Amino acid sequence: DGGITQSPKYLFRKEGQNVTLSCEQNLNHDAMYWYRQDPGQGLRLIYYSQIVNDFQKGDIAEGYSVSREKKESFPLTVTSAQKNPTAFYLCASSIDGGSLEPQHFGDGTRLSIL
Amino acid sequence: AQTVTQSQPEMSVQEAETVTLSCTYDTSESDYYLFWYKQPPSRQMILVIRQEAYKQQNATENRFSVNFQKAAKSFSLKISDSQLGDAAMYFCAYLPVGDSNYQLIWGAGTKLIIKP
Repeated sequence: DGGITQSPKYLFRKEGQNVTLSCEQNLNHDAMYWYRQDPGQGLRLIYYSQIVNDFQKGDIAEGYSVSREKKESFPLTVTSAQKNPTAFYLCASSIDGGSLEPQHFGDGTRLSIL
Repeated sequence: AQTVTQSQPEMSVQEAETVTLSCTYDTSESDYYLFWYKQPPSRQMILVIRQEAYKQQNATENRFSVNFQKAAKSFSLKISDSQLGDAAMYFCAYLPVGDSNYQLIWGAGTKLIIKP
């Protein structure tokens, strides 16, 4: 079945450490997204990519970095510069960025600080 | 700035009854898309229904329907014959069309509780 796989499901980070969240899709979608969700809040866009080797900052990109070397993969690195990284992270993809076709979501990764 | 507002942090409904979740948005665009997503306790986001702004007919998907009022910038979700499996967070989202950003703008969500 086609879908989006996020790993790991749970991740712990020590102070001053960078961690990378994986997102892989086999839907042949061009666009991919990373969102952060905090308790009781909606989704906030961290980064998005409309095509391979290109990505754009979202509303809360500071302290995060991404790469898009392959169409299927869009990993998110939470750097030590992100001072409040504890949150639920959702990866999504869509056929393209600007159509009625919906975004498809992975199951998410919960990141906590040790 | 474009914003999406869900004024009901939490709603509850008796099983088998009907409930309406409200959503308003602020935009100066004339062409856009609107979505309702559901996030059950498993945390996966699932598309419930979608609407194109230039279509006057309200979208319907089985027990889910919307009341789209473009002039009022309102996009409410009606769930008929509520079922226990409908319990979830519901998010309204807006997608502007015509610029290069293509960023979904999300409301804060409404928690729907189904009473058996």
